[in-house]
Amino acid sequence: NAGVTQTPKFQVLKTGQSMTLQCAQDMNHNSMYWYRQDPGMGLRLIYYSASEGTTDKGEVPNGYNVSRLNKREFSLRLESAAPSQTSVYFCASGDRGGTEAFFGQGTRLTVV
Amino acid sequence: AQSVTQPDIHITVSEGASLELRCNYSYGATPYLFWYVQSPGQGLQLLLKYFSGDTLVQGIKGFEAEFKRSQSSFNLRKPSVHWSDAAEYFCAVAQGYSSASKIIFGSGTRLSIRP
Repeated sequence: NAGVTQTPKFQVLKTGQSMTLQCAQDMNHNSMYWYRQDPGMGLRLIYYSASEGTTDKGEVPNGYNVSRLNKREFSLRLESAAPSQTSVYFCASGDRGGTEAFFGQGTRLTVV
Repeated sequence: AQSVTQPDIHITVSEGASLELRCNYSYGATPYLFWYVQSPGQGLQLLLKYFSGDTLVQGIKGFEAEFKRSQSSFNLRKPSVHWSDAAEYFCAVAQGYSSASKIIFGSGTRLSIRP
């Protein structure tokens, strides 16, 4: 029962470097989400995808891009990392927006 | 746009005491409401959810929540807390039953348990 799998679990980047956070789900869900979690801010929605091939901005999309190439995978890309992007990133999936979201274990990203 | 407010950043209760965590939402139509729990270093786990019908919903681990439309609230309760309940709790709202619906979270309430 893999559920939602995120890679990597930890990453340190230098300012200006780029990287892609990977997320895959094996529950055949339509919706997928990327959140960032910062102390005192809760989880803030970066981007979400209602179905394969579609993506929409969330609350804090600036500095990020996403790709939903197939139903299973939803990646988050930082083109030029900044210290303000230091955070824990969570990927989630759900059958529909009004149903339960299942979360991955998170990626802890530090930008120095 | 929908939003969620959790007014209590940190709450400490004694083991065995009752608990109520507050959540207020802003959304024009009937919302879909959730409570999630996050243990340290872990992802989020669903405690309970409200879609329609009975406004008092039961969840896992002995938790319950009551939807009050007139107060735009969805408070989480537990009659007697256990030390293992120490965690961070998040209230969330979705616009509706659609794959295009966003799920928006509150800022969380950290629960500490006093022995």
